[in-house]
Amino acid sequence: GAGVSQSPSNKVTEKGKDVELRCDPISGHTALYWYRQRLGQGLEFLIYFQGNSAPDKSGLPSDRFSAERTGESVSTLTIQRTQQEDSAVYLCASGEQMNTEAFFGQGTRLTVV
Amino acid sequence: GENVGLHLPTLSVQEGDNSIINCAYSNSASDYFIWYKQESGKGPQFIIDIRSNMDKRQGQRVTVLLNKTVKHLSLQIAATQPGDSAVYFCAEENTGTASKLTFGTGTRLQVTL
Repeated sequence: GAGVSQSPSNKVTEKGKDVELRCDPISGHTALYWYRQRLGQGLEFLIYFQGNSAPDKSGLPSDRFSAERTGESVSTLTIQRTQQEDSAVYLCASGEQMNTEAFFGQGTRLTVV
Repeated sequence: GENVGLHLPTLSVQEGDNSIINCAYSNSASDYFIWYKQESGKGPQFIIDIRSNMDKRQGQRVTVLLNKTVKHLSLQIAATQPGDSAVYFCAEENTGTASKLTFGTGTRLQVTL
């Protein structure tokens, strides 16, 4: 079956513009994560969705960042008024409720110019 | 946020030698641990996992060791090959609370010929 799919794979945007990144998780996975990875660095947790529970937004760096998830399907990460410091790869992962690993997408490389 | 602004430590190993990558985890209540491998330009991929009722688990050329007393996890790669060059991340989870998967800093493994 298909893995986690992210789109677009690459996005170049002008400073100040809004961007929307999409994640299609593996069907049936109730857990969904967004991470940010700057060049040569580790995974920075952004937000976590688990079923119908309130999302864990503790990693969102500012109020310019928001994410939504419709049920147990698609999630979108929105960055408003993008800044150059937002340039990074944004990774999405999904997993079964617990006791199993998370599966990652290939990421969206965001470049703010 | 976790792992923000941290440049990855690097481990250089000669081809054919064994590699040992270490990880200190933070939550004594974590009971499920995973090692991921991230190749350049790709999302992290699952390598091997271990639950807290075990202290060792072996896969193909890889072994994970868990020391709960000192909250330490290690990944051993036997007969390291050039294809093993990647960034390796450990992750921990407390499955009893359905909490999110938390990633360590990551270690870059460079295999020299």
